[in-house]
Amino acid sequence: NAGVTQTPKFRVLKTGQSMTLLCAQDMNHEYMYWYRQDPGMGLRLIHYSVGEGTTAKGEVPDGYNVSRLKKQNFLLGLESAAPSQTSVYFCASSSGGLAGGHTDTQYFGPGTRLTVL
Amino acid sequence: DQQVKQNSPSLSVQEGRISILNCDYTNSMFDYFLWYKKYPAEGPTFLISISSIKDKNEDGRFTVFLNKSAKHLSLHIVPSQPGDSAVYFCAARKYNFNKFYFGSGTKLNVKP
Repeated sequence: NAGVTQTPKFRVLKTGQSMTLLCAQDMNHEYMYWYRQDPGMGLRLIHYSVGEGTTAKGEVPDGYNVSRLKKQNFLLGLESAAPSQTSVYFCASSSGGLAGGHTDTQYFGPGTRLTVL
Repeated sequence: DQQVKQNSPSLSVQEGRISILNCDYTNSMFDYFLWYKKYPAEGPTFLISISSIKDKNEDGRFTVFLNKSAKHLSLHIVPSQPGDSAVYFCAARKYNFNKFYFGSGTKLNVKP
């Protein structure tokens, strides 16, 4: 099992350019998440999905869009990149576990380092 | 407004001694707490968790303590090893919501 993979690992964009980050998981997880990590801020949730075809906003959704057309993939799009979006982006997935209550954990990908000039 | 806070950005401990990492939260609706460990250039990996119905959970060298009245949890690592050197994030989840709130992390350095 590859777990959670992210493509690309690094990217440099110019202000105003667009790009899509791809996240894929092979654990048949229902829930998928996109976070950004900035110094001193920890991990902040951008968008998440509770199943194929669904998306929802997290804490910092502005400037990002997402799509979950297939259960195993979760795409994060930047339509017009800004320097404030320079960050490390992490994708995660989890089984959900609401019914199980307290057993759910998230599995993270290795991250994508994005620099916007 | 950060609902989960880790007020110590860094901690340095001698090998073999105890490491204590602290985390505070503000939302009384949180019912499930987790600790993640992160090495440079890797994603966070799950370490240990605790439900709000417990006050302690142990897994080998790692123990998490939860004090609900103080809205405080801590991670104890005994004995600390150089391989434990990493950034540790605490996270919390509200009951019936699958959104996780993360602290800003504490960088642990275990000196040989």
